Amino acid sequence: DSGVTQTPKHLITATGQRVTLRCSPRSGDLSVYWYQQSLDQGLQFLIHYYNGEERAKGNILERFSAQQFPDLHSELNLSSLELGDSALYFCASSGGGTGSPLHFGNGTRLTVT
Amino acid sequence: KNEVEQSPQNLTAQEGEFITINCSYSVGISALHWLQQHPGGGIVSLFMLSSGKKKHGRLIATINIQEKHSSLHITASHPRDSAVYICAAFGAGSYQLTFGKGTKLSVIP
Repeated sequence: DSGVTQTPKHLITATGQRVTLRCSPRSGDLSVYWYQQSLDQGLQFLIHYYNGEERAKGNILERFSAQQFPDLHSELNLSSLELGDSALYFCASSGGGTGSPLHFGNGTRLTVT
Repeated sequence: KNEVEQSPQNLTAQEGEFITINCSYSVGISALHWLQQHPGGGIVSLFMLSSGKKKHGRLIATINIQEKHSSLHITASHPRDSAVYICAAFGAGSYQLTFGKGTKLSVIP
């Protein structure tokens, strides 16, 4: 058990809709990373937060946004969903910078129909 | 932009064989991770390396910073080692983790 909790595990929704994915990091970890894993693109970095502040952005679409709250949990909001957004979304947490071990959640599988 | 290449893409081994998976990257890095993903989808971090060599049980990971290359070795492979192994690297000064495409390992009894 990594200590990172992601909810929900599965999500099925229709095109055009909006969903929110939630991540609770391991106790004490200040960093949260979001990743998308699709069949054609593999794993890709979306966004990174440290102690409530956005630190880095990757290939995140404008329709997607995220935030990290004072209690350090994070949410990834996906709006105007398209079929191509169907993927596994992972969050990972770490204690600090890139020299700290990463702990992955079990992912949220999003299916857009 | 960092690029991470893994080889082989697929690997089938007999139980007990010694296995090597290779990873190369194109730019300076701050850390390299070896990850394991089972068919259920969950990702487990096996190793984080910035230099040298690490060992955990039957798994060994090495990195050569000058050659921009890392290897993951599995000794005495077992069917439960069957999974996708993914190499990923943080570019120096970057929070962006770049992933390889993964190596699908199947260990046959």
